[in-house]
Amino acid sequence: AQSVSQHNHHVILSEAASLELGCNYSYGGTVNLFWYVQYPGQHLQLLLKYFSGDPLVKGIKGFEAEFIKSKFSFNLRKPSVQWSDTAEYFCAVPGSSNTGKLIFGQGTTLQVKP
Amino acid sequence: DTGVSQNPRHKITKRGQNVTFRCDPISEHNRLYWYRQTLGQGPEFLTYFQNEAQLEKSRLLSDRFSAERPKGSFSTLEIQRTEQGDSAMYLCASSRGTAPNPYEQYFGPGTRLTVT
Repeated sequence: AQSVSQHNHHVILSEAASLELGCNYSYGGTVNLFWYVQYPGQHLQLLLKYFSGDPLVKGIKGFEAEFIKSKFSFNLRKPSVQWSDTAEYFCAVPGSSNTGKLIFGQGTTLQVKP
Repeated sequence: DTGVSQNPRHKITKRGQNVTFRCDPISEHNRLYWYRQTLGQGPEFLTYFQNEAQLEKSRLLSDRFSAERPKGSFSTLEIQRTEQGDSAMYLCASSRGTAPNPYEQYFGPGTRLTVT
């Protein structure tokens, strides 16, 4: 069955530090991978997605993620975080049925100190 | 588009009462999803509609839960005889369900349910 594992549950960084959040997946079909972000008091929004092609995907607000098939990973990165990046980050894959439902990881809470 | 909207945003109810939530998806989206999110966890899939047809339900959706999407537009999620364990954020999402991004979902703000 499809599953997603996020290694870091709570990350605290200072502004300008580099960020890497881990995501490993188990998925039997065509790989589709997502990172969603939830800023405090706001709804979940798509940060970036991978469907095919270039394994290095660029998203909004300077975020990027790299799909490494051999490692079943889709880690999220940002070279220099800002206080406004404080949020909860979720990695997701489609479920096994063809409905498009998403299976989410547990999430990583990122706290950026000014 | 105006985004996915959900009402109410917050609901406090006593155990044993029935509650109903509403979701209005993005107008041209034919797929609609309900998820539940508890503190410290990612959203968990509850059920899925394609147009007005409910095509999948999670094992999480006990017989106290029912969802509808009449005419393939808005959807309602009803919980009967609420229990404290039902306290959670209930999220609605919609998608076009077609290429190139059939799995790209847009989420609403959620309805936070507290059962006392």
